[in-house]
Amino acid sequence: DADVTQTPRNRITKTGKRIMLECSQTKGHDRMYWYRQDPGLGLQLIYYSFDVKDINKGEISDGYSVSRQAQAKFSLSLESAIPNQTALYFCATQPARPPHEQFFGPGTRLTVL
Amino acid sequence: GDSVTQMEGPVTLSEEAFLTINCTYTATGYPSLFWYVQYPGEGLQLLLKATKADDKGSNKGFEATYRKETTSFHLEKGSVQVSDSAVYFCALQDNTDKLIFGTGTRLQVFP
Repeated sequence: DADVTQTPRNRITKTGKRIMLECSQTKGHDRMYWYRQDPGLGLQLIYYSFDVKDINKGEISDGYSVSRQAQAKFSLSLESAIPNQTALYFCATQPARPPHEQFFGPGTRLTVL
Repeated sequence: GDSVTQMEGPVTLSEEAFLTINCTYTATGYPSLFWYVQYPGEGLQLLLKATKADDKGSNKGFEATYRKETTSFHLEKGSVQVSDSAVYFCALQDNTDKLIFGTGTRLQVFP
């Protein structure tokens, strides 16, 4: 079944470490997104990509970077993790044609000590 | 800029009660509107959507009507079940096709 998968599902790391979160999709969608979810704040957009050669910053991109290795893969990196990056991270895909609903992965729970 | 405002939770109801979760939006033009649901430990799933004024989205007994005059998209269900306990997010699609989410409303249904 077509799906959006995220690895790892849970990760505990220490301040200053580099960490990568990976997202893969089999939906064939061109557009991919990375969001962060904190309690009471809903979802905040970190980065998005409308195709392999297109990368755009979202509202909270500082401290994060991304790589779109292929249409199906979109990775999020924290170059030097800090405790306030502790959150739930979601990847989503979106078709380029309407309707533009987004399809979400199961999330990665990241804890930075 | 575009924004979505949802009623704060948690909303606590007994099984079979009527549910309303309010959502209002600010946007240029006429965006598509969505309700997403997040069950515990899972990602968001699309619950329903409406793409133009007066459209009614519906799914699993939930309904929401796109009201341009009040810039609202309130979520309703006539009789909630324990299994409806989740966090509900209202969202609009902006003019670059990105989604703008509200902060979410937690619904707790007790038997």
